[in-house]
Amino acid sequence: GQQLNQSPQSMFIQEGEDVSMNCTSSSIFNTWLWYKQDPGEGPVLLIALYKAGELTSNGRLTAQFGITRKDSFLNISASIPSDVGIYFCAGHLNNAGNMLTFGGGTRLMVKP
Amino acid sequence: GAGVSQSPSNKVTEKGKDVELRCDPISGHTALYWYRQSLGQGLEFLIYFQGNSAPDKSGLPSDRFSAERTGGSVSTLTIQRTQQEDSAVYLCASSTGDIGNTIYFGEGSWLTVV
Repeated sequence: GQQLNQSPQSMFIQEGEDVSMNCTSSSIFNTWLWYKQDPGEGPVLLIALYKAGELTSNGRLTAQFGITRKDSFLNISASIPSDVGIYFCAGHLNNAGNMLTFGGGTRLMVKP
Repeated sequence: GAGVSQSPSNKVTEKGKDVELRCDPISGHTALYWYRQSLGQGLEFLIYFQGNSAPDKSGLPSDRFSAERTGGSVSTLTIQRTQQEDSAVYLCASSTGDIGNTIYFGEGSWLTVV
């Protein structure tokens, strides 16, 4: 069953607004990854986090690996229309080797 | 190639027919994954290959689904006697196989069963 709870499921925002989404789990993760999927494409890696407490930025994107290793958030600042897509969190569960577990996705819509 | 390559990109098949989906991972990547994504849904794990180890088939939804990886590179996902509920995007991904390493996805094979 689903081990990663991602929220919100969808967001409709105005261009220029900041966006925040998060993933939580009752299980401990060794890594957290954030992917973006454009329509008709495969997911593309945005940010990878490898250490509890790690805060990493990639342009307008910022993500953090929660101290408890059970959660992560992704922030997008000053959203633009091309930010539209589905954002997935993913992680490697402790003791699950290289298996990657995905959240259910957050569908982001940006109004120009 | 530079990225994960999948074929066909689109496939429409009749219910009951068998289909084969192909994945060519990034050169040098020893780990290969298949995921399924139904319309508007998240990614469902199907199967994982790592080097010469026995594959992790724990995500395959039924015995109609099988996958092979020949020569440690190209993989084929086979769906026998397709059903309408098999309609989805089938995504292949690969990684170096190191614990915790990020994985990179292909663009997917869109399967429609009519």
